[in-house]
Amino acid sequence: EVQLVESGGGLVQPGESLRLSCAASGFTFSDHYMDWVRQAPGKGLEWVGRIRQKAKSYSTNYAASVQGRFTISRDDSKNSLYLHMNSLKIEDTAVYYCTRVVAVAGSGYSDYWGQGTLVTVSS
Amino acid sequence: EIVMTQSPATLSVSPGEGATLSCRASQSVNTNLVWYQQKPGQAPRLLIYGASTRATGIPARFSGSGSGTEFTLTISSLQSEDFAVYYCQQYNNWPPGTFGQGTKVEIK
Repeated sequence: EVQLVESGGGLVQPGESLRLSCAASGFTFSDHYMDWVRQAPGKGLEWVGRIRQKAKSYSTNYAASVQGRFTISRDDSKNSLYLHMNSLKIEDTAVYYCTRVVAVAGSGYSDYWGQGTLVTVSS
Repeated sequence: EIVMTQSPATLSVSPGEGATLSCRASQSVNTNLVWYQQKPGQAPRLLIYGASTRATGIPARFSGSGSGTEFTLTISSLQSEDFAVYYCQQYNNWPPGTFGQGTKVEIK
């Protein structure tokens, strides 16, 4: 059974940093692209970023709203995905989901989602 | 960036009735579109990929259709567990994989 479990969320002040983690199990983690998707309270879904596998040089892409502030990394030996968030803004307040990606059409879509972890940015 | 527009924003349906949800793309996404279901307090769940293929374990009452810019998710006979918010997302012109704003299916 595919499982994705996020952790690391919490309350931080604007300008601070936070690192989210996602522990994956039930599939060959190293074979998959992985995404982060977020959802502000009461709002819709927003794609945050993607990291590819070792074979794709662990390349990454980011949404314009987080480019330069957020960094995605992975540790295939630990079946773990990370989201490093710097210079956090109030508008980054959201539930952050870790998702497994099915690569297709040069991009792909998320087929499994974690339960999410809440990040609150407030002074 | 492709804009995805879902309609209606809210759909009121009686249990046992059918529901039709629409998703429109600002430019063609071919059939590179997925539908997700999200219940309160839960993560989204993949329903449909490739515009019309049901994901593993999804009941046959869910069907997707369309290509290019116009897509439809049909629920043939709503069960109590189907009342939720539904999102479409395109993955043709990427990044980013843009989502629609969602359609809430509520009990009438």
